[in-house]
Amino acid sequence: AQSVTQLGSHVSVSEGALVLLRCNYSSSVPPYLFWYVQYPNQGLQLLLKYTTGATLVKGINGFEAEFKKSETSFHLTKPSAHMSDAAEYFCAVSALNNDMRFGAGTRLTVKP
Amino acid sequence: KAGVTQTPRYLIKTRGQQVTLSCSPISGHRSVSWYQQTPGQGLQFLFEYFSETQRNKGNFPGRFSGRQFSNSRSEMNVSTLELGDSALYLCASSLGGQGREKLFFGSGTQLSVL
Repeated sequence: AQSVTQLGSHVSVSEGALVLLRCNYSSSVPPYLFWYVQYPNQGLQLLLKYTTGATLVKGINGFEAEFKKSETSFHLTKPSAHMSDAAEYFCAVSALNNDMRFGAGTRLTVKP
Repeated sequence: KAGVTQTPRYLIKTRGQQVTLSCSPISGHRSVSWYQQTPGQGLQFLFEYFSETQRNKGNFPGRFSGRQFSNSRSEMNVSTLELGDSALYLCASSLGGQGREKLFFGSGTQLSVL
């Protein structure tokens, strides 16, 4: 079965600084990888996804992630943090015909 | 197009009771998945239904059950509630739910067990 590990339950950055949220996955078959964001009192929204093809994936709100098979990683980055990016971020993995499994989440705090 | 709707938004129950949560997916979506979210644990997969059939199941005890109706609406039931069942229960829908698709989430039902 597939699984993900998110390194760091809390990440704090200053406004304008680089955002880096780490995700490593485990899958016995080629994975599909996702990043979701959850704002307070809301459900999750998709930021970006990787299925096949280009390994650098661009998502909404200036976020991007790179699939690195050799490192089994799918880290999320954003060049310049904004106050509105403060939220909880979840990495997820799935395989064809399988359910989606989520990591424990990383809470991002953005300091002014 | 209306989003995923979960009712009720909040529930307070006592130990030993049972509870039923409801989820109405986006129109046209045939897959409904349920997740339990607790602080520090992230989202734990409960089960997925597609065309009224349970297709995948997570590692939860038999007290947790679900069903899906012909209109794709889904219900989740928890019997003999325990304190540890306190959590946010999220429902997500997708067209086919084959693992590669984007999930659309509801705002969840916050269950508190006293």
